[in-house]
Amino acid sequence: GEDVEQSLFLSVREGDSSVINCTYTDSSSTYLYWYKQEPGAGLQLLTYIFSNMDMKQDQRLTVLLNKKDKHLSLRIADTQTGDSAIYFCAETRYTDKLIFGTGTRLQVFP
Amino acid sequence: GAVVSQHPSWVICKSGTSVKIECRSLDFQATTMFWYRQFPKQSLMLMATSNEGSKATYEQGVEKDKFLINHASLTLSTLTVTSAHPEDSSFYICSASFGPYEQYFGPGTRLTVT
Repeated sequence: GEDVEQSLFLSVREGDSSVINCTYTDSSSTYLYWYKQEPGAGLQLLTYIFSNMDMKQDQRLTVLLNKKDKHLSLRIADTQTGDSAIYFCAETRYTDKLIFGTGTRLQVFP
Repeated sequence: GAVVSQHPSWVICKSGTSVKIECRSLDFQATTMFWYRQFPKQSLMLMATSNEGSKATYEQGVEKDKFLINHASLTLSTLTVTSAHPEDSSFYICSASFGPYEQYFGPGTRLTVT
């Protein structure tokens, strides 16, 4: 199937690390993405990883990919209130078509 | 770079009328544009993929006669919701791509049909 699953909600304290998880079902995924959506807005591409990589780090963001378990995670270090948003993982499979996860709402409290 | 705009950002229309939404790539030429629909607290659902100068490819279950897509140039695609009904009320988001595996999203258009 095409399901890409995420937990619905995550709440963290400001300054802590956030880890958002994503599982997918198709092993032919080529690129995997993380997008951020703030209320009433479009999607902002945060980072992406090619399927032959295990890890990618970009400033406060760390992406981990476990291809064997079809598990993708996004770690946000030193989480700030401005990081509060919905985070979507997405994948492509040899085409431009993005398949989105169900989205995780991250709430950061002081 | 890679900025995508949408117009209007929100629109209210009466049931039975048609509404056109524009999607523009401002600083690049988009070979492919995508139209998505998002219901409250849900994920994005791809409606159709359009390439400049050719007919759009619609996803299963999306009525092509109701959601007309025109991709007249490398920087402009339009989505027209024809004979809109309240169930068409949603958040419509476009994205544009100039190469494989990268899409840049517009800010979205909120459509409310009364």
